[in-house]
Amino acid sequence: DAKTTQPTSMDCAEGRAANLPCNHSTISGNEYVYWYRQIHSQGPQYIIHGLKNNETNEMASLIITEDRKSSTLILPHATLRDTAVYYCIVRVAAPGDDMRFGAGTRLTVKP
Amino acid sequence: GAVVSQHPSWVICKSGTSVKIECRSLDFQATTMFWYRQFPKQSLMLMATSNEGSKATYEQGVEKDKFLINHASLTLSTLTVTSAHPEDSSFYICSGWGQQETQYFGPGTRLLVL
Repeated sequence: DAKTTQPTSMDCAEGRAANLPCNHSTISGNEYVYWYRQIHSQGPQYIIHGLKNNETNEMASLIITEDRKSSTLILPHATLRDTAVYYCIVRVAAPGDDMRFGAGTRLTVKP
Repeated sequence: GAVVSQHPSWVICKSGTSVKIECRSLDFQATTMFWYRQFPKQSLMLMATSNEGSKATYEQGVEKDKFLINHASLTLSTLTVTSAHPEDSSFYICSGWGQQETQYFGPGTRLLVL
C-alpha cells in the first residue's frame, strides 16, 4: 500500500477554508485516495474519496494533483464541529481490504 | 452514506469476565467486516478480518482465542473478548464496505475492564 504523509496538526479560523494536504508519492494506478475524520471518542467518519479527478460532495472537496502524488482536502467553511483528526488513506477499493490508518492531521478550528 | 451500528456503546466489566460486542450493517450486506481497536492517543489498529460463514483472520499479535469473532450473517459480526483483563480496555470499532467503493465505520464501543 502507498504510504501517506500528513502534517501532525493544523489550525484554522472558524468560517475560513481548511486545506489539509496529503502526500502519497508511491500511489499505484488502481489506488484511491480516501479521507476520513475522527471526532473525539467516535468512530471514523467517511468524508470523500477519489481516483484521478477532483471530487466534491456536501462535506468537502478533494483536489488530486495530475501526477496523483499528492492531494488536498478542502473544508470550505470550517466550523468548530470540524475539529477532529483527519486521515488520508490510499487504498485499492476491494471489499476484502481494510483501511490502514496513520497518525493523521489534528485539525483545530478556532473561534 | 451507509450505516454501521455497534452495541453496546460502552461497557464496564470485572476482570476475568467475557464481553460481547455486536456490529451491524444496517443498510448494506457485508461479506467482510473488520475489527479495529484504538488505545488512547493512538491511531486505529486492525485486529482481525471477519468473513461471513468462515473463520476470521487475525493480525499478528492478536490472540484468536481471546478475541472470538463470529460473522453469522451478512449484516452481523460479533467480537467477544474472553476473560477480559485491564489491558484489554480500549475503544473497539468495526467497519464494512458499503456502496460506492467506500468503507463505513461503526460508532465504536468503549470497554473498561476493572
